[in-house]
Amino acid sequence: GEDVEQSLFLSVREGDSSVINCTYTDSSSTYLYWYKQEPGAGLQLLTYIFSNMDMKQDQRLTVLLNKKDKHLSLRIADTQTGDSAIYFCAERGSSNTGKLIFGQGTTLQVKP
Amino acid sequence: DAGVIQSPRHEVTEMGQEVTLRCKPISGHDYLFWYRQTMMRGLELLIYFNNNVPIDDSGMPEDRFSAKMPNASFSTLKIQPSEPRDSAVYFCASSRTANNQPQHFGDGTRLSIL
Repeated sequence: GEDVEQSLFLSVREGDSSVINCTYTDSSSTYLYWYKQEPGAGLQLLTYIFSNMDMKQDQRLTVLLNKKDKHLSLRIADTQTGDSAIYFCAERGSSNTGKLIFGQGTTLQVKP
Repeated sequence: DAGVIQSPRHEVTEMGQEVTLRCKPISGHDYLFWYRQTMMRGLELLIYFNNNVPIDDSGMPEDRFSAKMPNASFSTLKIQPSEPRDSAVYFCASSRTANNQPQHFGDGTRLSIL
């Protein structure tokens, strides 16, 4: 069945780059998403990538997609303490059900 | 534009009581999703609707849980009777039909059953 896996925790120093990784199993995934959840808040969409793209850049965020290995990553350049949050990877399969499959989330801790 | 609106933000009640969580999706969105988030189980999809019709309720834990969407701008998730293990944050999300459209989440209802 469909599954999305993420590592649970990442700790970096302020100013360093953060790389959050995600693997998925559905080879028919059409879109892949990154969401950010700050304490006490809902999930906020950060960015998404279409499955026929390898890379997408948006200011400090870079998304890399390796479709062959079913591997997605989110790189945050110059990580700030305000980036501390839980980051969720999600994939949408080929069937247009509107349903997303979420990973379990990666907690990013940024140390000053 | 108004986002997804959930109420209440916090609910504390005693076990056995009925709990009703409410959600107003973004206008024009035809999909609505209910999720539950706990430390132990992460983010779980409970049920989702398309054009007010329930499509998949396989994530609903048991018969104590029910969800309705009487119109395009309102949905409820009800727990009756509530139990302490139902304590969690419940999120509502909505999206449009088109394939690339992401889900937009509300701020959630933090539910504590004593």
